[in-house]
Amino acid sequence: AQSVTQLDSHVSVSEGTPVLLRCNYSSSYSPSLFWYVQHPNKGLQLLLKYTSAATLVKGINGFEAEFKKSETSFHLTKPSAHMSDAAEYFCVVSEDPGNTGKLIFGQGTTLQVKP
Amino acid sequence: KAGVTQTPRYLIKTRGQQVTLSCSPISGHRSVSWYQQTPGQGLQFLFEYFSETQRNKGNFPGRFSGRQFSNSRSEMNVSTLELGDSALYLCASSVGQGAAGTQYFGPGTRLLVL
Repeated sequence: AQSVTQLDSHVSVSEGTPVLLRCNYSSSYSPSLFWYVQHPNKGLQLLLKYTSAATLVKGINGFEAEFKKSETSFHLTKPSAHMSDAAEYFCVVSEDPGNTGKLIFGQGTTLQVKP
Repeated sequence: KAGVTQTPRYLIKTRGQQVTLSCSPISGHRSVSWYQQTPGQGLQFLFEYFSETQRNKGNFPGRFSGRQFSNSRSEMNVSTLELGDSALYLCASSVGQGAAGTQYFGPGTRLLVL
């Protein structure tokens, strides 16, 4: 069965410093992996998506993630944090890329950005 | 294009009542999925519809049901509400079935059961 583990429930950085949000996955298939962001009282916004085309995936707002099969990881990074990046981030794996659209979410990482 | 819309945005019900939530997908999207978000359990898959057919169902009791109409709009119904049903219910739409189609989420309906 597919699963994702977000290794940190809370990450705090200073504005202008790099961001690293860690995610490990488990999948029986060649997975589709996603990062979504949720700002307070808002829905989920797609940051980026990996579907085996390239291991380094660039997303919106300067975020990127690298798929490492040997480490079963899909960590999210950003070179320089902005105050507006403060939100909850979810690493997500699709249950079965070819069959259904069921998404399996990690427990989320709250990103705090200090001035 | 307009995004995914969900109505109502907020709802207060009492135990034992039933509730119906509505989701209008992005124009041209034929797949709609529903998720429940709670502080304790996180985001959990409820069900997915494609072309009016339920394609997949999560591990929720039969009190949770849904349907999809020919225009791809979807509704979910929860009968005999329990306190634990208080949650943010999110709807997502995608062009096709499967995760090959990126899912776009609506703002959610926040349900409070008293």
